[in-house]
Amino acid sequence: EVQLVDSGGGLVQPGGSLRLSCAASGFTFSSYSMNWVRQARGKGLEWISYISSATVYYADSVKGRFTISRDNAKNSLYLQMNSLRDEDTAVYYCARESGSGSYLDYWGQGTLVTVSS
Amino acid sequence: DIVMTQSPDSLAVSLGERATINCKSSQSVLYSSNNKNYLAWYQQKPGQPPKLLIYWASTRESGVPDRFSGSGSGTDFTLTISSLQAEDVAVYYCQQYYGTLYTFGQGTKLEIK
Repeated sequence: EVQLVDSGGGLVQPGGSLRLSCAASGFTFSSYSMNWVRQARGKGLEWISYISSATVYYADSVKGRFTISRDNAKNSLYLQMNSLRDEDTAVYYCARESGSGSYLDYWGQGTLVTVSS
Repeated sequence: DIVMTQSPDSLAVSLGERATINCKSSQSVLYSSNNKNYLAWYQQKPGQPPKLLIYWASTRESGVPDRFSGSGSGTDFTLTISSLQAEDVAVYYCQQYYGTLYTFGQGTKLEIK
C-alpha cells in the first residue's frame, strides 16, 4: 500500500526556517517524481515545488527561499523553507506523480506550518 | 503560467440530481503529439488531503464511482456527477499538468440542496 507521511510542521517566527519531511513507503520511491502542494486555511490548493531524479521546479512564490530535495536511500522527500513569511502559513502536502503522467495520484495527510510572531 | 478558472465557486444540488463543474484554462492543455489533455480533477473533503478522481481530462482513477465523469478538450473542461450522493459533498479542484509549473483552479464547493 502506498503511504506518504508528512512531518516537520510547527510554529516559526517570520524570517525563520523549517524543514519538512515526507516518508514514503509501498512503492519504489526513486522511480517517481514528487511534489509539494500547500493550502492556506480555508483557501485553495497551491502547487509549490517538483523534483524528479534530475530536475527541480518552484512556484514563483517560493523560488529562492525554499529548496526541495530527496534521499532515495531513505525513501524521503524534504522541503527546506527559509525566510518564512506570514503568507507561508498553510498545510503542506507531499504528493506523488503517477508513473504514467504528471497528475498527483497519492497525497500525504499534510503538516501544518504556522508563521507568526 | 497557465491560469485555471473554475465555475461556479459553489453549487447546491439535490440528492440524485446532476452536478456540473466547469474549468477553463488560459491556454490549451492539449498536447498535440499524443492528443492528450493534461488536466486532472481532485476531490477534497474537510480535514482530508485531495483525492485524484480524473486524469487525462476523462480517465477515471481506479476505484472512483462511475457517476463521476470528465469531459472537454483544449481549454474547456467539465466534471459531472450524474446522480449526487451525500458522500460527494466536497470541494472539487481542476489542475493542469501541461506546463512545468502546475496550477490548480480555485475550487468549487459542492453542497446538498
